[in-house]
Amino acid sequence: GAGVSQTPSNKVTEKGKYVELRCDPISGHTALYWYRQSLGQGPEFLIYFQGTGAADDSGLPNDRFFAVRPEGSVSTLKIQRTERGDSAVYLCASSPTGGENGYTFGSGTRLTVV
Amino acid sequence: AQSVTQLDSHVSVSEGTPVLLRCNYSSSYSPSLFWYVQHPNKGLQLLLKYTSAATLVKGINGFEAEFKKSETSFHLTKPSAHMSDAAEYFCVSYGGATNKLIFGTGTLLAVQP
Repeated sequence: GAGVSQTPSNKVTEKGKYVELRCDPISGHTALYWYRQSLGQGPEFLIYFQGTGAADDSGLPNDRFFAVRPEGSVSTLKIQRTERGDSAVYLCASSPTGGENGYTFGSGTRLTVV
Repeated sequence: AQSVTQLDSHVSVSEGTPVLLRCNYSSSYSPSLFWYVQHPNKGLQLLLKYTSAATLVKGINGFEAEFKKSETSFHLTKPSAHMSDAAEYFCVSYGGATNKLIFGTGTLLAVQP
C-alpha cells in the first residue's frame, strides 16, 4: 500500500479482555516497529521485526504483550488480560531495511481499557 | 547510550514570527537525528533528517535544523510561523547498534494569531 495502515483506529475494551492490533506496512519494507505513546509522552519502543523474526523485543513491558509477523509483512500486536494502564496509542512503523533514514509511521490505534 | 533532550515542553509564538525548538543529543558517536511532527489525532510525519552529509538540513514546510557537534545540538527553526504549524514536535535519534529510533519527550508548539 501507499502508507502504513493500522486497524482498528480506535479500540475500547474492558479490563481483563484480550485485544489484537493490526499493522500493514508499506509493501517491500522488511523492517517493522511497534511503539506505544501514552498521553503527553513521546513514543516508546516496544518491538522490532526484521522480516519474520523479532530482532529486538526488549521494549515489551511484560509477558502480556506479544507480537507476530508470520509472513514478513502484516504484524499483529497482542495484549492479554488488558489493564487500564495499557491505554495508549499504539504506533506501527516500517522502513526498507533499518531505521537509519527514519521510519514511516501509521496513524496508530488508540486503545482505551475501561 | 544515545538519548535526546528537548529543552522546552511548550513553545508559543505569534504567526509570522520565527520558531525555535531546541534539542540536545547525547551520543558516543555522530548520530543520525530527525525531527518528526505530530498534528492532533494524526500520525507522525518526518520533517527532516541529519545523516552526516551536511550540517544544515532543510525539511518540509520551510523548517530546517542545524547539527552542531560542538554544542551537541540539533535545534529546529523556521523563519515565519504559520497557524498550520501548531503541533507537537519530536526530536529523535537513531541508535545504529540497536536499530531503534529514540524519541524525545516532545515540544508542543502553539501559534497565536
